[in-house]
Amino acid sequence: GNSVTQMEGPVTLSEEAFLTINCTYTATGYPSLFWYVQYPGEGLQLLLKATKADDKGSNKGFEATYRKETTSFHLEKGSVQVSDSAVYFCALKYNFNKFYFGSGTKLNVKP
Amino acid sequence: DADVTQTPRNRITKTGKRIMLECSQTKGHDRMYWYRQDPGLGLRLIYYSFDVKDINKGEISDGYSVSRQAQAKFSLSLESAIPNQTALYFCATRPTGGGNTGELFFGEGSRLTVL
Repeated sequence: GNSVTQMEGPVTLSEEAFLTINCTYTATGYPSLFWYVQYPGEGLQLLLKATKADDKGSNKGFEATYRKETTSFHLEKGSVQVSDSAVYFCALKYNFNKFYFGSGTKLNVKP
Repeated sequence: DADVTQTPRNRITKTGKRIMLECSQTKGHDRMYWYRQDPGLGLRLIYYSFDVKDINKGEISDGYSVSRQAQAKFSLSLESAIPNQTALYFCATRPTGGGNTGELFFGEGSRLTVL
């Protein structure tokens, strides 16, 4: 079946550190891949997405590349800020309407 | 104001009580969803609706029911709440047709505690 696995948190970094949050997926066919972010007390919002192999999604300094050969979609940012503290969810969309979410990774950024 | 509004935002209730969580949206989207979020488990789909006449079960629908009263409103009911239904519940919407980028638009969540 389809599933998403992401690294467990929490991840604690100092401001300006490099961030990687790993995400791997299992899917038949060619899913679209997403990263959503959930700030404290809020709902999830789309951070970036990629719809086919080798696509790179990017937004707000975050990037992720759709790697079909390794079934991965790792989230990266070169220099995190305190305001990036949130929970990050990797997700895939299969067919027209089926979404699968990872368990979420909490990021804490210290000043 | 939020485009996807959930009420109540927080609710504490007792085992056996009937609870309704409401979701309304001003985005004009056809598709609406109810998800449940539990620590370490991510989001799991309870029910989804493509339009007023189309309701579908998700992966964890047991113990829940829904009503799509209008295009803009989608309610989730727990007929007889039990403690393991304690969770954070999210409503989400998505457009169809040309506006469909695959993105889900989430409400701010309803935290339910069943004692």
